[in-house]
Amino acid sequence: DAGVTQSPTHLIKTRGQQVTLRCSPKSGHDTVSWYQQALGQGPQFIFQYYEEEERQRGNFPDRFSGHQFPNYSSELNVNALLLGDSALYLCASSIAGRPLETQYFGPGTRLLVL
Amino acid sequence: AQSVTQLDSHVSVSEGTPVLLRCNYSSSYSPSLFWYVQHPNKGLQLLLKYTSAATLVKGINGFEAEFKKSETSFHLTKPSAHMSDAAEYFCVVSVASGGSYIPTFGRGTSLIVHP
Repeated sequence: DAGVTQSPTHLIKTRGQQVTLRCSPKSGHDTVSWYQQALGQGPQFIFQYYEEEERQRGNFPDRFSGHQFPNYSSELNVNALLLGDSALYLCASSIAGRPLETQYFGPGTRLLVL
Repeated sequence: AQSVTQLDSHVSVSEGTPVLLRCNYSSSYSPSLFWYVQHPNKGLQLLLKYTSAATLVKGINGFEAEFKKSETSFHLTKPSAHMSDAAEYFCVVSVASGGSYIPTFGRGTSLIVHP
């Protein structure tokens, strides 16, 4: 079992561009959550997807959007990138309704916006 | 609303000495509390959790944490630090919301272990 995988590992973009990050959940998991971890900060919850719908959302603008596919994998899209979007983006997978400790985290995608 | 405050951004210890990482929490409901560790280029790993059972919680790699409701604290300890413990540690509070468990992370404490 490969666990949670994310791609790419690193990415460099310029302000105003758009970016798509990808996540494959752990085998048997049906729920994907995304987090943003700015340098020197703890991860902040962006949103959670289950059954191909956004179920919960944190305090992030509409520039952040996502998608979940029938195979449970997920994408995070960020439009009109700002310098402040530079961060490590973490994906976590779990089984719907199960408590937090069952959530597995991926290694993250490091995004740099210039 | 829920929040956590990690009282130290950095903690430096010598190998073999005790570790104390401090965390205070705030929650409107009975919280679930966790400690996670993050090594460079690796995913977050759960160390331990408190979910209203025993107030002294044992985790992996010799770590423990004690839930003190009167002090709203959940400090992480280890009797003897190892070089491999050097990492970023996060205190987390989670409350069920709409069938999901959404966590709130602290800002993290960087543990430095000197030989």
